Amino acid sequence: DIQMTQSPSSVSASVGDRVTITCRASQDVTKSLIWYQQKPGKAPKLLIYTASLLQSGVPSRFSGSGYGTEFTLTISGLQPEDFATYHCQQAETFPLTFGGGTKIEIK
Amino acid sequence: EIQLVESGGGLVQPGGSLRLSCEASEFTFGNHWMTWVRQAPGKGLEWVANIKDDRSGKYYLDSVRGRFTISGDNTKNSVYLEMNSLRAEDTAVYYCARYSGIHGWLDPWGRGTLVTVSS
Repeated sequence: DIQMTQSPSSVSASVGDRVTITCRASQDVTKSLIWYQQKPGKAPKLLIYTASLLQSGVPSRFSGSGYGTEFTLTISGLQPEDFATYHCQQAETFPLTFGGGTKIEIK
Repeated sequence: EIQLVESGGGLVQPGGSLRLSCEASEFTFGNHWMTWVRQAPGKGLEWVANIKDDRSGKYYLDSVRGRFTISGDNTKNSVYLEMNSLRAEDTAVYYCARYSGIHGWLDPWGRGTLVTVSS
């Protein structure tokens, strides 16, 4: 199975900050990397697919990059509604696997 | 609006069984793979099972294979998860989601249904 490791597990930030989250895969997943946002008590929401493609309706302050085993999610200009937990998922092969999540908290 | 609504969760004793349902609306259900993902309290997301669009091919997490069965009924726009021999570690919110076979994303997700395995 492909192991996905996210870092950091949590980060404190302020409105307006730039935040970067890293997701590493234990083996090559090419561009098959997905990012989700999850708020407390809610289902995850698709943000980015194929490593860097923004889902329709997602604000342009969200961006993704990477290939192979290392990927990043960047939020440029954090907004109050962005305080949430972010999950990465590899879509290269079954079993689909997720990172452990990164919680962005208000500083 | 595309919607997925799960039902069937609850409290069950270890070794017991439950059947989860997920009803889809506002998209052509028979054209899409479907997925079950679970999230234990305070933990991350864990993929459980996938079923192909024609409801023939199925994939399972190793720890549930042989205990859980995913199925679907395209005439009822529904996907199911039959869970047997339940263990405490199966306690989680179970989400169903539409799966893109091309890009591998899960979207949308249902609100989830809580399964608690406890004596």
